[in-house]
Amino acid sequence: AQSVTQLGSHVSVSEGALVLLRCNYSSSVPPYLFWYVQYPNQGLQLLLKYTSAATLVKGINGFEAEFKKSETSFHLTKPSAHMRDAAEYFCAVSRFTGGGNKLTFGTGTQLKVEL
Amino acid sequence: GAGVSQSPSNKVTEKGKDVELRCDPISGHTALYWYRQRLGQGLEFLIYFQGNSAPDKSGLPSDRFSAERTGESVSTLTIQRTQQEDSAVYLCASSFTSGSQETQYFGPGTRLLVL
Repeated sequence: AQSVTQLGSHVSVSEGALVLLRCNYSSSVPPYLFWYVQYPNQGLQLLLKYTSAATLVKGINGFEAEFKKSETSFHLTKPSAHMRDAAEYFCAVSRFTGGGNKLTFGTGTQLKVEL
Repeated sequence: GAGVSQSPSNKVTEKGKDVELRCDPISGHTALYWYRQRLGQGLEFLIYFQGNSAPDKSGLPSDRFSAERTGESVSTLTIQRTQQEDSAVYLCASSFTSGSQETQYFGPGTRLLVL
């Protein structure tokens, strides 16, 4: 079985500060990992995904994540937070069974950006 | 181009009533997924459609839940005899193909409240 754990349901940073959202995964096979962002009243939008190529993955809006197998982690970072980054962020792992690519999501981290 | 759309955006119903939720995937997307997001929890996989193949219903929580999709078009998720624990946001996602590296595009969701 695959799962992801997001540490911290709420994270607050100052504008311009480093953003670090934590995600640890559990998988019996090499995982494919995703970060999605959900703005209020909108659907989930893909930020980035890891598919066993480069371990450092760059996504949209200045976000990036690094796959660390030894730590079973896929933390999301951004060097400088902006007010528009305030949203909920979900880490997900996929399990492709040949019958669908079912995503297993973490419980989400609400990011608050303060002036 | 239009993204994934869902209707209604909000639904309030009384316990015991049936509800029908609709998803319009992105044109040309062969794969379609339904997920449920309960308050404070991550998304749970419900059901998966791929083309004309038999759907993967392994995530449906009970026989009160059913879904249909005609070809590669609209899908409807039906919940019969709704219960208060069915209250959640129901999200639909579609993708161009189904594979381990696919990107699922999500709709804005339907917020269901069962009184």
